[in-house]
Amino acid sequence: KAGVTQTPRYLIKTRGQQVTLSCSPISGHRSVSWYQQTPGQGLQFLFEYFSETQRNKGNFPGRFSGRQFSNSRSEMNVSTLELGDSALYLCASRQNQETQYFGPGTRLLVL
Amino acid sequence: DAKTTQPPSMDCAEGRAANLPCNHSTISGNEYVYWYRQIHSQGPQYIIHGLKNNETNEMASLIITEDRKSSTLILPHATLRDTAVYYCIVRGTGGFKTIFGAGTRLFVKA
Repeated sequence: KAGVTQTPRYLIKTRGQQVTLSCSPISGHRSVSWYQQTPGQGLQFLFEYFSETQRNKGNFPGRFSGRQFSNSRSEMNVSTLELGDSALYLCASRQNQETQYFGPGTRLLVL
Repeated sequence: DAKTTQPPSMDCAEGRAANLPCNHSTISGNEYVYWYRQIHSQGPQYIIHGLKNNETNEMASLIITEDRKSSTLILPHATLRDTAVYYCIVRGTGGFKTIFGAGTRLFVKA
């Protein structure tokens, strides 16, 4: 089975722009979670989707949003980018209540 | 989800066993202990998980104390490629909001 894939792998944006990141879960996995990782804050939970519904949300401002499609693929969007949004964004998928598997991440640099 | 406490860093000689401890004193009865590792700038890699019994797979062994308040991840023969940050996480079956701590940075030295 192919693992979790994320696109793009690297991205450079400027302040004020918006960005959309994509995640394709492992085949058969219906749950997708997103995390932000920065050197200062570590790995922080953003949100989790299951069957196109957001089921849990971390403590991030409304500029961070996401969605999930009927094929379980997920996107997250960050609007009005700030310098502090520079981070590694990780997606993880799982089947029902089972183990989460992570993708390689998208490294976003905001200039 | 319960919080975990891990030492910030550990060293291990190549070929020796690496024993990484984790405290999870507030763990609930239905919460599992999961271990992941992250090699620089890659996504976290799942290693092993358990509820109360000790577990072993091709990567590692997980020893959970009888009171479940702590656990130890054992890499039986550490190699240089095992140098990574190791995260111990406690999560229930319905706990989608996984909380990662700072983890343990393991240095395997030749």
